[in-house]
Amino acid sequence: SYELTQPPSVSVFPGQTARITCSGDALPKQYAYWYQQKPGQAPVLVIFKDTERPSGIPERFSGSSSGKIVTLTIGGVQAEDEADYYCQSVDSSTAWLFGGGTKLTVL
Amino acid sequence: EVQLVQSGAEVKKPGESLKISCKGSGYRFNSYWIAWVRQMPGKGLEWVGIIYPGDSDSRYSPSFQGHVTISVDRSSSTAYLQWSSLKASDTAMYYCARRLAGYVYGGDYWGLGTLVTVSS
Repeated sequence: SYELTQPPSVSVFPGQTARITCSGDALPKQYAYWYQQKPGQAPVLVIFKDTERPSGIPERFSGSSSGKIVTLTIGGVQAEDEADYYCQSVDSSTAWLFGGGTKLTVL
Repeated sequence: EVQLVQSGAEVKKPGESLKISCKGSGYRFNSYWIAWVRQMPGKGLEWVGIIYPGDSDSRYSPSFQGHVTISVDRSSSTAYLQWSSLKASDTAMYYCARRLAGYVYGGDYWGLGTLVTVSS
């Protein structure tokens, strides 16, 4: 079965660039989506179709894809970006798959 | 403005039944799939299943198939997630999300969640 693997945690200082990876066999064939979830809040879509940014999402959020790995990049990290980030894709039957989540800590 | 408004928190006993709701507004409800996502306390996101309000076509994660039922009422633009016999392990936050249009499989709008607590 398909799985998506993320690092449990990433830490950066304010102003630095944070990169969160997600790997999985489904990713060369299906798009990836990224969500930001702050404590006590619902997830928010920050990247869709690997690289596209929904309206209202700051330009410092970007996505990229290479084979089995997709990456969420947050340039010039701000304290407000501290959150859990989840990647998501689908399997061959279009069932949604989620990665285990990455906790981004802004030092 | 697109909104998904979910029903309030529930406290139930094991073995009881429950139906929670997700009411869509600000868009053509029948034309977008609605997904349900579980988040157990302190854990990650898990896909429960999805329904297309236009024809009630539904799909389930194998992990939830047979334990929950997803349905829709087009007349009130509301999707539902229901259990006939709750277990303590169903304790979680449940979110509904609108799937992006077309052959795109992410959720662009999410409800605030319904907290379900199952305890004897």
